[in-house]
Amino acid sequence: QKEVEQNSGPLSVPEGAIASLNCTYSDRGSQSFFWYRQYSGKSPELIMSIYSNGDKEDGRFTAQLNKASQYVSLLIRDSQPSDSATYLCAVNPPGGSYIPTFGRGTSLIVHP
Amino acid sequence: DGGITQSPKYLFRKEGQNVTLSCEQNLNHDAMYWYRQDPGQGLRLIYYSQIVNDFQKGDIAEGYSVSREKKESFPLTVTSAQKNPTAFYLCASSGGYPGLGYNEQFFGPGTRLTVL
Repeated sequence: QKEVEQNSGPLSVPEGAIASLNCTYSDRGSQSFFWYRQYSGKSPELIMSIYSNGDKEDGRFTAQLNKASQYVSLLIRDSQPSDSATYLCAVNPPGGSYIPTFGRGTSLIVHP
Repeated sequence: DGGITQSPKYLFRKEGQNVTLSCEQNLNHDAMYWYRQDPGQGLRLIYYSQIVNDFQKGDIAEGYSVSREKKESFPLTVTSAQKNPTAFYLCASSGGYPGLGYNEQFFGPGTRLTVL
C-alpha cells in the first residue's frame, strides 16, 4: 500500500517567519515529488516539483528531498497571510506510472 | 490561454439522476484524471486515461463512468448507483512534453456536486 503522510495541522506561524511543512512516503523507489497549494474552496495549484536529492528553490519556496530517509519538505520563507492554505504533498511511484499518491494535506495559518 | 476548464462550477442533482461533469484541456496533455475530494479528506482517484479511447479505474470507480473520445475531453458521469455523490470533483491533466515535467499534474477549477 503506497502511503504519503502529512501532519494535518493546523500549523500556525507569525507573518515573516519560516513555515516548514513535512511529508513522508512509503514507496522507496519513488522518483517524482510535488507540492500543491489549495486555498479553501479552490482546486490545488502546483507550486514545486523536485526529482533529485537536495534543495530546490523558487522565490520564497524551497523544496527539500531526502530519498534515503524518504521525506520531502517545503519551506516557505517570509510567510505572508496570503500563504494560508492547505499544502498537499504528492509522490509518483516508480515504474513509469504517472498516477501520484496524495497526502491529506497540512493546513497552514499565517497570522499577522 | 492554456488551461483546464470544468463545467458547471456548481451542480445540484436529485437522487436517482445521472449527471455528467465536463472537463476540457487545451494543454495538449496525453493523460487526464478525475478525483473526488470530500471535506477534510485527501484526493481520491476515480478514473484516469493515459491515451485517447482508453481509460482505467482508479480507487473509487464504482458508480462513475467516463469516456475519452478526444484528447482534449474527459467527461465524468455520476450515475444513480453512486450512493454518496456529494463532493468536490477535480479534473487534472499531465504529460504535455517529454522530460522531467512530463508527469506534473495540473488541475481544473473543480465542480461542486450536491445531491438534494
